[in-house]
Amino acid sequence: AQSVTQLGSHVSVSEGALVLLRCNYSSSVPPYLFWYVQYPNQGLQLLLKYTTGATLVKGINGFEAEFKKSETSFHLTKPSAHMSDAAEYFCAAHGDPITGTASKLTFGTGTRLQVTL
Amino acid sequence: GAGVSQTPSNKVTEKGKYVELRCDPISGHTALYWYRQSLGQGPEFLIYFQGTGAADDSGLPNDRFFAVRPEGSVSTLKIQRTERGDSAVYLCASSADIGETQYFGPGTRLLVL
Repeated sequence: AQSVTQLGSHVSVSEGALVLLRCNYSSSVPPYLFWYVQYPNQGLQLLLKYTTGATLVKGINGFEAEFKKSETSFHLTKPSAHMSDAAEYFCAAHGDPITGTASKLTFGTGTRLQVTL
Repeated sequence: GAGVSQTPSNKVTEKGKYVELRCDPISGHTALYWYRQSLGQGPEFLIYFQGTGAADDSGLPNDRFFAVRPEGSVSTLKIQRTERGDSAVYLCASSADIGETQYFGPGTRLLVL
């Protein structure tokens, strides 16, 4: 079964510093991978996704993630943190639609990003 | 266009009561999903619909939970004989088709006293 692991339930960075949120997946076949952001009392908003092709994916708000098959990782980065980036971030995965395993997302437990002055 | 909407935004009920949670997906989206998010956890899959039929309900925790989507658009998640452990945020998502990006609603926060 698919599983997604996010290392670090809380990450704190200074404004302007690099943001790195870690995500590893467990699957024998590379899944489709996603990062969602959740602001307080709001739903999940898609930041970016990897399906096939280029392994470096750019998303909204200056975020990007790199799919590394050899490391089974999909870490999220942003060069310079902004106060407005403070939120909960979730990594998620589902299977390839062709294999019929794309019906449900499996989420990590989330990483709360704090941005300090 | 409008996103996924869910009503009510908050629901407080007493143990043993019946509740219904409604999801209105993005217009034209054929796939609809329900997830449950407990405090401090990521969302967990409950059920998904392709059109009117429940194509996968493997995530429903027990037979007190069921969901319908009679006309292939709006869906209702129904919980019978609620228990305190059912307290969570219930999220709905829709996608244009299976395997396409899932767009989430704001959720319904359910509190069972």
